[in-house]
Amino acid sequence: GQSLEQPSEVTAVEGAIVQINCTYQTSGFYGLSWYQQHDGGAPTFLSYNALDGLEETGRFSSFLSRSDSYGYLLLQELQMKDSASYFCAVSSSARQLTFGSGTQLTVLP
Amino acid sequence: DAGVTQSPTHLIKTRGQQVTLRCSPKSGHDTVSWYQQALGQGPQFIFQYYEEEERQRGNFPDRFSGHQFPNYSSELNVNALLLGDSALYLCASKGGALGATEAFFGQGTRLTVV
Repeated sequence: GQSLEQPSEVTAVEGAIVQINCTYQTSGFYGLSWYQQHDGGAPTFLSYNALDGLEETGRFSSFLSRSDSYGYLLLQELQMKDSASYFCAVSSSARQLTFGSGTQLTVLP
Repeated sequence: DAGVTQSPTHLIKTRGQQVTLRCSPKSGHDTVSWYQQALGQGPQFIFQYYEEEERQRGNFPDRFSGHQFPNYSSELNVNALLLGDSALYLCASKGGALGATEAFFGQGTRLTVV
């Protein structure tokens, strides 16, 4: 089976940098994705890592280490609108996404 | 360009009843997946449809079934509803079958079983 672990809550102030870690156990691995979900909203795609290393997209970066079964999402220059739940998700096959339980990020003024 | 649309947005059903939820994928997408998201949890994979066939299934009982139509839209059916089936049901679409990495989610259907 698959399991993912990520912190349940993170709090930071506007303008700061925050890192959300994700460790996973899976019987098959294609890649690690990150999704953002605001209350009452749809999950929206942020990033995908299939290979080791850092992927940068604007204020957001995502890192993967396949040997350590570990990844993280880095959010820079935090804004109030970044307050949301963030999910890491493993593609354990080409068709299935397995999500973690999510990290609730609160950005304080 | 319309994204993924789901209907209805909210639904209340009685235990033991049956429900059908509908999803229209993003334009150009041919693969539809369904997820169940309980409050405070991450989405749980139910199944995926491609070329009108169920291609992969998560750990859900046979009470959960689906269908994909030639226009790529999809339905999720749940029979013999249980109180524990109360959740947000999300539909996600992808294009390019196995190659796509980004899933686009709809706003979901909030199902309440009483």
